[in-house]
Amino acid sequence: KQEVTQIPAALSVPEGENLVLNCSFTDSAIYNLQWFRQDPGKGLTSLLLIQSSQREQTSGRLNASLDKSSGRSTLYIAASQPGDSATYLCAVSHFDHTGTASKLTFGTGTRLQVTL
Amino acid sequence: GAGVSQSPSNKVTEKGKDVELRCDPISGHTALYWYRQSLGQGLEFLIYFQGNSAPDKSGLPSDRFSAERTGGSVSTLTIQRTQQEDSAVYLCASSRGLAGNTGELFFGEGSRLTVL
Repeated sequence: KQEVTQIPAALSVPEGENLVLNCSFTDSAIYNLQWFRQDPGKGLTSLLLIQSSQREQTSGRLNASLDKSSGRSTLYIAASQPGDSATYLCAVSHFDHTGTASKLTFGTGTRLQVTL
Repeated sequence: GAGVSQSPSNKVTEKGKDVELRCDPISGHTALYWYRQSLGQGLEFLIYFQGNSAPDKSGLPSDRFSAERTGGSVSTLTIQRTQQEDSAVYLCASSRGLAGNTGELFFGEGSRLTVL
């Protein structure tokens, strides 16, 4: 059974700092890994998706890496801003019988606060 | 539609009543997922529909929970004889679901259920 762990559970940093969020998973036979952002009372917004054959993806100030063999992913946020304050979730999927992605297994998230 | 649409956004009901939650996925997405997020908890998988295949119901917590997807599009999650522990945000997501596709999931804003 896939288990996804995120460290730290909460993080507070001053504006402008670069930071790294960690995600680990126990079963390396994944289809993809996604990082999401969730604001209080809202749904999830997809940030980055890394296919199992890829090593990293970048979008603006965000960079996500994937080391499938060790079961780890990191989300790097450069030059953090107060607007980055949210909960960040990582999730992994496997292949299902139709050859596409199965259900996602989520970590419990990292709650990030960026202070002025 | 442009995004995943869920209704109602908020539902307050009395213990023992039945509720129906609706999800309208992104047009053309063949895969549809239901997740539950209880206060302070991670996302719990409930059920997954992929095209015409039999749904993966492995996450449904009891036989009071059921879901259907009509015409490969709109889905309804039904909870019978609601209990207080059913109080949570119910999130729906969809993806293209085609073999070889990225498998990126797009979430709705959720339906917040409160059982008194």
